[in-house]
Amino acid sequence: IVLTQSPVTLSLSPGNSATIFCRASVRIDSGTLAWYRQRPGQAPSLLIYGASKRASGISERISASGSGTDFTLTLIRLEPDDSAVYYCQQCDSTPYTFGQGTKLEIK
Amino acid sequence: EVQLMESGGDLVQPGGYLRLSCSGSGFTFRNHGMSWVRQAPGKGPEWVSGITGVGGRPFHIDAVKGRFTISRDNSKSTLYLEMNNLRVDDTAVYFCARDRSPGGSYDDAFDLWGQGTAVTVS
Repeated sequence: IVLTQSPVTLSLSPGNSATIFCRASVRIDSGTLAWYRQRPGQAPSLLIYGASKRASGISERISASGSGTDFTLTLIRLEPDDSAVYYCQQCDSTPYTFGQGTKLEIK
Repeated sequence: EVQLMESGGDLVQPGGYLRLSCSGSGFTFRNHGMSWVRQAPGKGPEWVSGITGVGGRPFHIDAVKGRFTISRDNSKSTLYLEMNNLRVDDTAVYFCARDRSPGGSYDDAFDLWGQGTAVTVS
């Protein structure tokens, strides 16, 4: 299953909102779509699982939705610390795959 | 503290061998499916292998099938990845990752990651 993210890069100002899209090449169970954030030099960290459920400790500024083949991640009231690369991932069927990433720059 | 810690990465020649280890602590290791995920320089993550909590259903992506073997020793709370016949395109940081659900399978999101161990094949 190929996951295609858009946009590839996003440059926004603090306080704005960001929306990242993830499209699957085939329909997947929404319970199997996750979103991760990766800061430079760090491992990815889980933000969202089951397409819309926030992981433990994740800010309410982050939300996600979607079903079938189209999924979105939304961040509101952007802060400089939100600068990172964001990945979607499916665990619907093996081999599990990640999107190519969206680099979010806050400046 | 709940954590995963990888070790074993190194610089190795093509055709060489490495064994990566991932030690888990602060949680019931045997309850969680585990995976290895790698990330080549400047690229996104790539899921490589998965194994259930009891060590069953090992899975490897086609690119490493027949060369890599995932295993675990729950008595030591340790996950392994044996890597044979290494290729230049295996160069990456290798992360171990825990399946979020304590149901023992590896079909959920990864909620805990190690810091990664670097494998360079050159």
